[in-house]
Amino acid sequence: KQEVTQIPAALSVPEGENLVLNCSFTDSAIYNLQWFRQDPGKGLTSLLLIQSSQREQTSGRLNASLDKSSGRSTLYIAASQPGDSATYLCAVPSGGSNYKLTFGKGTLLTVNP
Amino acid sequence: GAGVSQSPSNKVTEKGKDVELRCDPISGHTALYWYRQSLGQGLEFLIYFQGNSAPDKSGLPSDRFSAERTGGSVSTLTIQRTQQEDSAVYLCASRPTGTGAYEQYFGPGTRLTVT
Repeated sequence: KQEVTQIPAALSVPEGENLVLNCSFTDSAIYNLQWFRQDPGKGLTSLLLIQSSQREQTSGRLNASLDKSSGRSTLYIAASQPGDSATYLCAVPSGGSNYKLTFGKGTLLTVNP
Repeated sequence: GAGVSQSPSNKVTEKGKDVELRCDPISGHTALYWYRQSLGQGLEFLIYFQGNSAPDKSGLPSDRFSAERTGGSVSTLTIQRTQQEDSAVYLCASRPTGTGAYEQYFGPGTRLTVT
């Protein structure tokens, strides 16, 4: 059974810092990995999706890497801003499917002005 | 364009009552998912619809839970004889179908509270 772990559970940083969020998964036979952002009381917003054949994806100040063989992904946020404060979730398809997502429990990020 | 919408946004019900939660996916998206997000459990997959294929119901926690998708668009998640442990945020997501179309788009969720 696929298990997804995110470390740390919570992170507080001053504005402007670069930071890294970690995600690990137990079954490396995945089609892709997706990072999401969730604001309090809101749904999920997709940030980046990395296909299993890719090593990284970039969008603006965000860079996500994937090391499938070791079961790890990182989300790098450059020059953090207070507006980046949210919960960040990673998810991988599981059970041999390319659609049934298993989520980590998230990292709660607070960026202090 | 319009995203995934869900209604109601909040629902408070008494234990033992039935509830219906609605999801309107993005127009043209053939795949639709329901997830549940509860404290301490994180996000759990419930059910998946793809076009006219039989749905994948493997995540439904009990036979009190059921879902329908009418006309390949709107979906309704029904919980019968609600229990307090059903209290959670129920999230719907949709996805287009096509090569490489893996990204799921989520709605804002319905917060269900069973008293």
